[in-house]
Amino acid sequence: DAMVIQNPRYQVTQFGKPVTLSCSQTLNHNVMYWYQQKSSQAPKLLFHYYDKDFNNEADTPDNFQSRRPNTSFCFLDIRSPGLGDAAMYLCATSRDLREETQYFGPGTRLLVL
Amino acid sequence: AQSVTQLGSHVSVSEGALVLLRCNYSSSVPPYLFWYVQYPNQGLQLLLKYTSAATLVKGINGFEAEFKKSETSFHLTKPSAHMSDAAEYFCAVSSSNTGKLIFGQGTTLQVKP
Repeated sequence: DAMVIQNPRYQVTQFGKPVTLSCSQTLNHNVMYWYQQKSSQAPKLLFHYYDKDFNNEADTPDNFQSRRPNTSFCFLDIRSPGLGDAAMYLCATSRDLREETQYFGPGTRLLVL
Repeated sequence: AQSVTQLGSHVSVSEGALVLLRCNYSSSVPPYLFWYVQYPNQGLQLLLKYTSAATLVKGINGFEAEFKKSETSFHLTKPSAHMSDAAEYFCAVSSSNTGKLIFGQGTTLQVKP
């Protein structure tokens, strides 16, 4: 089945230690998104790629970076995780930008010690 | 600017009772509206999507939603709640400018035996 896959499902890191979260998709969608979701809140968009074009949200901290080496994979890099970065990180894809359904992966729960 | 408001952060129903989750939107253009469900420690799963083809939209798991332009509402209903329906539900509108999803605050559905 076509799907969005996130690895790992749970990630524990230390304060200040760089961490990378992975997302892959078999849907061949043009757009890939990264969201941060904290407890009892709606997902918050961090950035998205339309093909190779990177689009950062204005309020996304510089600590968060992303890479999309090819259509199928997208990575979220947190350069120096702080305690406040502990959250669920969701990857989503859509065929195009406008009026298109976004398909979400299962998420990666990040814990910062 | 488009926005979504979900009325009631927590809704509790008995098993077998009607489920009604409220969503009101604000949009100056015909909106694309979505309902997503999120189970604990999972990603978001699409329940249904309104694209102006029909005002009554049927989704998965027995859910449906009715688009009412006069009331700017897109409430989610299910005739008979199951224990497995207990989850977080998000209403969202797709921004006509950017295509980004604008989420409501979410409603936690509790189903009592």
